[in-house]
Amino acid sequence: ELKVEQNPLFLSMQEGKNYTIYCNYSTTSDRLYWYRQDPGKSLESLFVLLSNGAVKQEGRLMASLDTKARLSTLHITAAVHDLSATYFCAVESYDKLIFGTGTRLQVFP
Amino acid sequence: DVKVTQSSRYLVKRTGEKVFLECVQDMDHENMFWYRQDPGLGLRLIYFSYDVKMKEKGDIPEGYSVSREKKERFSLILESASTNQTSMYLCASSLLSREAFFGQGTRLTVV
Repeated sequence: ELKVEQNPLFLSMQEGKNYTIYCNYSTTSDRLYWYRQDPGKSLESLFVLLSNGAVKQEGRLMASLDTKARLSTLHITAAVHDLSATYFCAVESYDKLIFGTGTRLQVFP
Repeated sequence: DVKVTQSSRYLVKRTGEKVFLECVQDMDHENMFWYRQDPGLGLRLIYFSYDVKMKEKGDIPEGYSVSREKKERFSLILESASTNQTSMYLCASSLLSREAFFGQGTRLTVV
């Protein structure tokens, strides 16, 4: 059974600081996705990572995938308040799309 | 833009009722998914479908069934609603090996 674990579950960080969210998964897969969810809203796609070593960047967020280690990271650079949201990773395996528990990020001044 | 539409934003049903949650997508996606989202548990996959009339169980299918008679529509059915099925339900669709697009969610309360 595919399991996807994220850590930390909750992250409170000061504006301007850097931090990394980790996503580990239990079975072979080379397709991983990152999503953002704002309170009361649905999920919005951030990144699609489709091969080992894939790296994608958008603004202050950068995602990477290491399929050998079964690990993806979402790195936040110089956080700003607008990044406050819950971030989910999701792994695809045999057409199933399984999500991690999410990381709730709060950025304060 | 991809649009995934769920029939209701909020729903209140009584214990034992049969409940239908409808989801429609307009981008000819093969895959469709139903998840429930609960605090601290993330999104858990209930059922998914990769083609018309095809369905596969996810991680928590007990108490639910699904129907996909047309490519654009994927219905989630609670045969006899119970209070532990109170949750946010999210529908999503995708092309094969592409990111999923989500509907706005249905917050179901079973009383």
